[in-house]
Amino acid sequence: QQQVKQSPQSLIVQKGGIPIINCAYENTAFDYFPWYQQFPGKGPALLIAIRPDVSEKKEGRFTISFNKSAKQFSLHIMDSQPGDSATYFCAAGPYNNAGNMLTFGGGTRLMVKP
Amino acid sequence: ETGVTQTPRHLVMGMTNKKSLKCEQHLGHNAMYWYKQSAKKPLELMFVYNFKEQTENNSVPSRFSPECPNSSHLFLHLHTLQPEDSALYLCASSQGIGTRNSPLHFGNGTRLTVT
Repeated sequence: QQQVKQSPQSLIVQKGGIPIINCAYENTAFDYFPWYQQFPGKGPALLIAIRPDVSEKKEGRFTISFNKSAKQFSLHIMDSQPGDSATYFCAAGPYNNAGNMLTFGGGTRLMVKP
Repeated sequence: ETGVTQTPRHLVMGMTNKKSLKCEQHLGHNAMYWYKQSAKKPLELMFVYNFKEQTENNSVPSRFSPECPNSSHLFLHLHTLQPEDSALYLCASSQGIGTRNSPLHFGNGTRLTVT
């Protein structure tokens, strides 16, 4: 089974810091890389996604950096806030069939201290 | 308010019980999924339905039995479960298998405890 390796498992930063979560994938056919955010007691929700035709994508304070040659991508949260405390999951799969072929990373539990 | 609703939110059952989890989506999607979320493990895809037809069964034990009567409703019937089946069971939907840019929309899950 194709894996997506996510690190770190947990992360603690101070308010205003820039947490970085990294993911690495194996399947070179993957061309869709979403990040999901999950708050306690809630299901995961799509946060931001990138395709390999660009090396970076920003949406508000969230940025994905993508390195196709290294088969790695990362999530950066600028000016992190306590409300960003959640578990973050990266995933990878084919863009034209993402629904049933996403492979998820193991998750990163982020805590942003006030 | 999520477009994918799961009931019950919490369920405690003995190993000899039979229970069902219910999922309903209000997004007009055609594909529905069951995922298992265990502590310190990646999300595990269990079953996929596309236009009410099962398209994926990821080697899930037969004590889990899915049912999809229509594109809006999905059930997971449980019987003779084991304690290691305790987990958060997530339902998700998307526009349809093979549809481009069709992200998954998750419900809030059912927290299952098998005693």
